[in-house]
Parts: sequence; structure tokens; C-alpha cells
Amino acid sequence: EVQLVESGGGLVQPGGSLRLSCATSGFTFSDHYMGWVRQAPGKGLEWVGRSRNKANSYTTEYAASVNGRFTISRDDSKNSLYLQMNSLKTEDTAVYYCARDLFASGIHHPFDIWGQGTMVTVSS
Amino acid sequence: DIQMTQSPSSLSASVGDRVTITCRASHDISNYLLWFQQKPGKAPKSLIYAASSLQSGVPSKFSGSGSGTDFTLTISSLQPEDFATYYCQQYKSYPFTFGPGTKVDI
Repeated sequence: EVQLVESGGGLVQPGGSLRLSCATSGFTFSDHYMGWVRQAPGKGLEWVGRSRNKANSYTTEYAASVNGRFTISRDDSKNSLYLQMNSLKTEDTAVYYCARDLFASGIHHPFDIWGQGTMVTVSS
Repeated sequence: DIQMTQSPSSLSASVGDRVTITCRASHDISNYLLWFQQKPGKAPKSLIYAASSLQSGVPSKFSGSGSGTDFTLTISSLQPEDFATYYCQQYKSYPFTFGPGTKVDI
């Protein structure tokens, strides 16, 4: 069974840092692109960023709202994805989901499997 | 950035109804479109990828269509477990963007 489990959320002060983890199982992690999506309380979904796989040099893409503050990394030996969040702002308060891409017909289609999410609260 | 809009923003329907949700992109995205279902307090669930391909395990009452800028998600016969919020998302270009959601309730 494919599973994604996020951890590392919590309460942090504005300007602080937090590192989220996404532990995966049930599939060949190293083959897949992975991503992060967030959802502020009572709001819609917001794409945060994407990590390509080793075959595509682990390159990353970010939303403008987090670019330069957030960093996505991965450890294929641990089947894990990470989101390092620095210079946090109150508007970063959200549930953060990690999600796997589906590779089909030669294309990486985002977000076929999601984790349960982890809550990040940025407040003084 | 590509802007995604959805209509309606909410709708009320009954069990057994056929429901159609529309998603529109501000630029041509070919068929690089996803549909998700989200229930309160739960993670989104992927329903459709590439505009019309059903994700594994998703019942065939869900169907997607469209290409270019206009897309639809149809639920052929609404069941109690289908009451949720539905989102579309484009992945033609970065940044990926979601629609604002359509809430389907009783």
C-alpha cells in the first residue's frame, strides 16, 4: 500500500524556521517527482513546490510566495521528502500536504497520492 | 501565471442527480488538468488527470472532459459520499495553480 506521512508541523514565531518531513512507503520513491501543497484555514489549495527525480537531477520549482524562503529536498535512501521553511510569516499558517506524482504516458502528472497533512502555525 | 476559475462556487443537489462543474483556464493548457475531491478535515483525493483520465480506484461515475481552456467534471449519479468540495488544477506551466473550488452539498 502506498503511504505518505508528514511530520514536523507545529507552532513557530514569525521569522522562525521549521522543517517538514514526508516519509513514504509502498512505491519506488526515487522514480517519482514529489510535491508540497498547502491549505490555509478555511481556504483553498495552494501549490508550494515540486521536486523532480534523480533522472531529472533533483531540480525544484517553487511558488513565488515561498521562493527564496522554502527549500524542497529529498533523500532517496530514506524514501523521504523534506520542506525546509525559513523566514516564516503569519500567512504561511496552513496544513501542509506532501503528494506524489503519477508517471503515465511519458508525463509526470501531479498529486495522485496525498499524505494526511501536518499543521504549521506561525504566530507570536 | 495561469488563472483558474470554477463555476459554480457552490451548488445544492440531491442524491441521484447528475452534476457538472466547470473549470476555465486563463490560457491554453491543452489537457494538463487535474480534478480533486476534498472532504472536510481530510486530504484531497485525486479523481482525474490529463483532463479525462480516471485515477486508479476512482468510480466511473466521475468523468472529465475538455481541452484548451474549458473543462468539466461530471458526476453521473450523486451519492451521499460525493458531497464535498471539488478543485481543478493546471500543470501546463509553473506555478501550478488551483481553481477556487466548488462545494457540492445537499
